[in-house]
Amino acid sequence: SAVISQKPSRDICQRGTSLTIQCQVDSQVTMMFWYRQQPGQSLTLIATANQGSEATYESGFVIDKFPISRPNLTFSTLTVSNMSPEDSSIYLCSVDRVGTEAFFGQGTRLTVV
Amino acid sequence: AQTVTQSQPEMSVQEAETVTLSCTYDTSESDYYLFWYKQPPSRQMILVIRQEAYKQQNATENRFSVNFQKAAKSFSLKISDSQLGDAAMYFCAYINFGNEKLTFGTGTRLTIIP
Repeated sequence: SAVISQKPSRDICQRGTSLTIQCQVDSQVTMMFWYRQQPGQSLTLIATANQGSEATYESGFVIDKFPISRPNLTFSTLTVSNMSPEDSSIYLCSVDRVGTEAFFGQGTRLTVV
Repeated sequence: AQTVTQSQPEMSVQEAETVTLSCTYDTSESDYYLFWYKQPPSRQMILVIRQEAYKQQNATENRFSVNFQKAAKSFSLKISDSQLGDAAMYFCAYINFGNEKLTFGTGTRLTIIP
């Protein structure tokens, strides 16, 4: 199994500012994933973060808006830049073991005012 | 691309009764895994049950069981003896063997009626 600590758990931010979300895993993992969950919606993958290389972004998500760092095998950050109210969502980080299960952080509830 | 469809946005069940949540998926792959995840108000995603596509036997975990119909690409979740703690959003998810990207359905909100 994997225990994931995600911070902050929630934040209220002013539009135009940026927020960095941290995700710490208790074991080394190759890939980490960042999801967005808009209110009442399902999870949408933002990007896959590999250690030592640039993150791979899904269609509709760009690095300038959601820069990701992955400095080592247990840690990653996602920044939501130049925020607008449309960015109000839950953001989750995840790691998985192929064929077993995915483990998720507790999520960050972001509200942009 | 793979898609996962949950046609029931909301379901409700009396406490101690049985409820079935539906999920269908579309894929051209033969080796894959299917999951049901539960998301209570705490936002924590919790694995309920998983199924390997190569296994014909339906997975069971205590009060939770699945009806996996590979040819029909159907993967329903049955919750027996429903409890108040089962109230949550339930997401069906799919992953290809050898891939690490999960595809989620749109979710079903389950309400338990005391």
